[in-house]
Amino acid sequence: EVQLVESGGGLIQPGGSLRLSCAASGFTVSTYYMSWVRQSPGKGLDWVSFIYSGGSTYYADSVKGRFTISRDNSKNTLYLQMNSLRAEDTAVYYCARAPDCRTTSCYFPFDLWGHGTMVTVSS
Amino acid sequence: DIQMTQSPSSLSASVGDGVTITCRASQTIDNYLNWYQQKPGKAPKLLIYATSSLQSGVPSRFSGSGSGTDFTLTISNLQPEDFATYYCQQSFSTVTFGGGTKVEIK
Repeated sequence: EVQLVESGGGLIQPGGSLRLSCAASGFTVSTYYMSWVRQSPGKGLDWVSFIYSGGSTYYADSVKGRFTISRDNSKNTLYLQMNSLRAEDTAVYYCARAPDCRTTSCYFPFDLWGHGTMVTVSS
Repeated sequence: DIQMTQSPSSLSASVGDGVTITCRASQTIDNYLNWYQQKPGKAPKLLIYATSSLQSGVPSRFSGSGSGTDFTLTISNLQPEDFATYYCQQSFSTVTFGGGTKVEIK
């Protein structure tokens, strides 16, 4: 079955660190553009980060310098290392997949999403 | 950054109605616009990509149109399973989402 399963969320104090994981099955993470998207309670969707199939990484300004996206091809797993966490980082974090677009226009349609993992930053 | 503004933020409709949701970009985004449906407690689901292309498996009562800065999602013959929140997403410059439109039962 083609799916994404996130883990690693929880309650963390401001200033703390957390690493989220997103295990993929049914497809190869390194052949897609993988992303993290978050959603604060009761709010809309907020793009966080991308890692392209070629390895390039991109971040929203709100997390640049604090979050790091990476992947382990041998484990077919995506990660998000989150440091210096703030209350405003509290959200459900989804990993999502978009087709590789090196040879086509990059519409970044997220065609597969995980169920999400909740991160709560609070003292 | 490109800002995406959806309207209305919510609407009430009945089964069988047609509804239109609008998404406006703060600058031109060509046709780099996708639409998603999200139900409570669930992940978003891709409906339409590249403004008007229907994602595989999505019913044909969903359609999208527009270009430049103004885009619409139209749902014809609203079904009970269509009551949800809808988001637009631009991908012309990184990625940003609209604020969402909640479609509720009248």
